[in-house]
Amino acid sequence: GNSVTQMEGPVTLSEEAFLTINCTYTATGYPSLFWYVQYPGEGLQLLLKATKADDKGSNKGFEATYRKETTSFHLEKGSVQVSDSAVYFCALSEYGNKLVFGAGTILRVKS
Amino acid sequence: EAQVTQNPRYLITVTGKKLTVTCSQNMNHEYMSWYRQDPGLGLRQIYYSMNVEVTDKGDVPEGYKVSRKEKRNFPLILESPSPNQTSLYFCASSFGITSGGARGTDTQYFGPGTRLTVL
Repeated sequence: GNSVTQMEGPVTLSEEAFLTINCTYTATGYPSLFWYVQYPGEGLQLLLKATKADDKGSNKGFEATYRKETTSFHLEKGSVQVSDSAVYFCALSEYGNKLVFGAGTILRVKS
Repeated sequence: EAQVTQNPRYLITVTGKKLTVTCSQNMNHEYMSWYRQDPGLGLRQIYYSMNVEVTDKGDVPEGYKVSRKEKRNFPLILESPSPNQTSLYFCASSFGITSGGARGTDTQYFGPGTRLTVL
């Protein structure tokens, strides 16, 4: 079945550091890929998405590129802020509306 | 304001006492879904509904029931809660996408979560 694997956290960075959170997936076809973010005490919000190979999703300085050859969708940001501290979930959807999530990666940014 | 609301936000109950967590959306979405979030496991789908009176099991449906009598509401029912249902629950909604030949999903909007503790 479909699955998503994320790097384990927590990831702790200093403000303005470069961020990478790795995400790889297994799917039978060509899924759409997503990054969701969960701030403390809140629900999940869509951060960015890509629907086909080589697409790049971007939002709020975050980027991720759909790499079909490596089945990956790594999340990157050039300069993190304290306000980026949250839990980040990689997810895929292949058929209909169902989302399959990774385990989540906690990001802590220190000032 | 477009939103998904859940009630209650926090609930502590005892084993076997029936409870209902409500979910409501004001975006006229066809699709609604319930997830549970557990440490190290991410979010797992419990039940989903493609439209009114249409519901189906997700990956972890045991011990849960749902109903979809109105488009905006999708309550989650625990008939006889047990401690292993202690978790953080999220409701989500989106516009529907037909699965036949169509990839992916429209953006799903999540509620704020319900933290349930079963003693």
